[in-house]
Amino acid sequence: QSALTQPRSVSGSPGQSVTISCTGTSSDVGGYNYVSWYQQHPGKVPKLMISHVSRRPSGVPGRFSGSKSGNTASLTISGLQAEDEADYYCCAYTGNYIYVFGTGTKVTVL
Amino acid sequence: QVQVVESGGGVVQPGRSLRLSCAASGFAFGNHGMHWVRQAPGKGLEWVALISYDGSNKNCADSVRGRFTISRDNAKNTVYLEMNSLRAEDTADYYCVKEDIGAFESWGQGSLVTVSS
Repeated sequence: QSALTQPRSVSGSPGQSVTISCTGTSSDVGGYNYVSWYQQHPGKVPKLMISHVSRRPSGVPGRFSGSKSGNTASLTISGLQAEDEADYYCCAYTGNYIYVFGTGTKVTVL
Repeated sequence: QVQVVESGGGVVQPGRSLRLSCAASGFAFGNHGMHWVRQAPGKGLEWVALISYDGSNKNCADSVRGRFTISRDNAKNTVYLEMNSLRAEDTADYYCVKEDIGAFESWGQGSLVTVSS
């Protein structure tokens, strides 16, 4: 159960787009479509932003989108806003009722 | 509205035991898998354990296997995490989470467990 690999940090100016990668293996990210993304502001509870690779729950802004290619999933924030500055984590199902989180990425709005 | 509320955290000595509880309301508890996720101070999220909607399937992370046990009581809308042989590295906020088909949909506020002598 090795953590999925995410970049430690990404940054962008307001209005720009940023993409966070989440790299796993054929046993987790590449093996199932149960990839999800979570946003966590400092001192707050994580919030579901994307489920099933690319589904956006009700209430999540349309500027958040998800995708997957092979063993790598991605979260894209288009039209970056100040309130998007937070930590982001991916998560994937690995089979046998086991899940694994990514290492986490800090998004900074310049 | 959906609510999950953890309780039972606190300070415990290494090697001792602790049981966390999670009371759920606002949804059909018996229809959803439930998870525990933890976050050590200043660190990332770590999945801990899952129990299926009816309790027939469960599993946990390698880091806690053999020491932690997840269970549920659907009559009481409650899920539990029994933690034995606690170690300093188990110190974390423990979140109870409602699953919605492979995603962690609703999170509790967390219960802090501190393992220290």
